[in-house]
Amino acid sequence: NAGVTQTPKFQVLKTGQSMTLQCAQDMNHNSMYWYRQDPGMGLRLIYYSASEGTTDKGEVPNGYNVSRLNKREFSLRLESAAPSQTSVYFCATRGLAGGETQYFGPGTRLLVL
Amino acid sequence: AQSVTQLDSHVSVSEGTPVLLRCNYSSSYSPSLFWYVQHPNKGLQLLLKYTSAATLVKGINGFEAEFKKSETSFHLTKPSAHMSDAAEYFCVVSDRRNFNKFYFGSGTKLNVKP
Repeated sequence: NAGVTQTPKFQVLKTGQSMTLQCAQDMNHNSMYWYRQDPGMGLRLIYYSASEGTTDKGEVPNGYNVSRLNKREFSLRLESAAPSQTSVYFCATRGLAGGETQYFGPGTRLLVL
Repeated sequence: AQSVTQLDSHVSVSEGTPVLLRCNYSSSYSPSLFWYVQHPNKGLQLLLKYTSAATLVKGINGFEAEFKKSETSFHLTKPSAHMSDAAEYFCVVSDRRNFNKFYFGSGTKLNVKP
């Protein structure tokens, strides 16, 4: 029972390159989220998916796209990376049975040069 | 609209002394409130949550928080700090009408001195 997993753990990109961050959960949760964490700013919501087949924008969606591939997987894509997207990215899940509690993955550190 | 203000970006205490991390919230509806802890290079772990039951909430590792509606506060306390408590702590608010929107404070880094 791995909970929430994220790949890769660390990535370095050049400006303009693209990449996809992967998130998978084995908790059978309906809702999944992508956040970015920057120093002194807490976590900010990029996108979320309330259930399989639906996605919605959060607070800072510009420059990102998401795919809810199935109930387990929620990916975040950077089509053309920019230095401003250097951050730590966290995936989280929330299940109906668990109420409002979110469960977080270990994070992906992204450096855009 | 919901928002969270963590009043201290850094708090330093000595081991064995009390911990107080302050959080004020703004919510246009009945809020749910959470405290999460993040150890270095780790994900976030739930410490405790308030969801409209008892106003004094007990969490893991001896932490507790009190919901005070009149003061719009949800401060986190622990009677005696341990070295392992050194971490960053986040206060989070959610609107119970929309459980998919969570608003994080900017975080408080707790340093525990031996």
